[in-house]
Amino acid sequence: DQQVKQNSPSLSVQEGRISILNCDYTNSMFDYFLWYKKYPAEGPTFLISISSIKDKNEDGRFTVFLNKSAKHLSLHIVPSQPGDSAVYFCAASGNTDKLIFGTGTRLQVFP
Amino acid sequence: DGGITQSPKYLFRKEGQNVTLSCEQNLNHDAMYWYRQDPGQGLRLIYYSQIVNDFQKGDIAEGYSVSREKKESFPLTVTSAQKNPTAFYLCASSIPRTLNTEAFFGQGTRLTVV
Repeated sequence: DQQVKQNSPSLSVQEGRISILNCDYTNSMFDYFLWYKKYPAEGPTFLISISSIKDKNEDGRFTVFLNKSAKHLSLHIVPSQPGDSAVYFCAASGNTDKLIFGTGTRLQVFP
Repeated sequence: DGGITQSPKYLFRKEGQNVTLSCEQNLNHDAMYWYRQDPGQGLRLIYYSQIVNDFQKGDIAEGYSVSREKKESFPLTVTSAQKNPTAFYLCASSIPRTLNTEAFFGQGTRLTVV
């Protein structure tokens, strides 16, 4: 049972445009959500997070939106840059330290 | 400088042998995790530990074992009972959940069974 789902395995965006990566979750007990970026053969690096008491969190070019009623979150990258090309994972946690990841979306930003 | 270190980066194992992957952190984090990454399946949780001398099974614990004798160390043993051990293994650590902070990852160990 996949509690955190990223239904788009890949996304291709032109440099300078907006990238929107989506994530859905099923467990209503999740109250903290994170986005990680991963390059091949490396560990994921943290990008941005959001608590369930908020619906938006912004950090530079990265903004995460949370829609609790729809159990949906999204990551917006504006403007997209070639260096943003990587696999992006969303993750969620509830009242324990257990962190559950989605299957990832491969973002390619082309010139 | 602080961080989380996994070793070795590449590991080869013969079928039927146990192998132990190392994970050390000097971030003073209480919680540590082991994940496995397979193509198209994201990161799946194997085991996690919230405190020394305590650990819990994740979603795919069968064929794996861990120990948490020290705060800094959380080694993972891949036993011969693991049916498909070839994968990329990632270790992570974090401070207690109540502070709502992120987990930090090591660089991973790629295990190949030959």
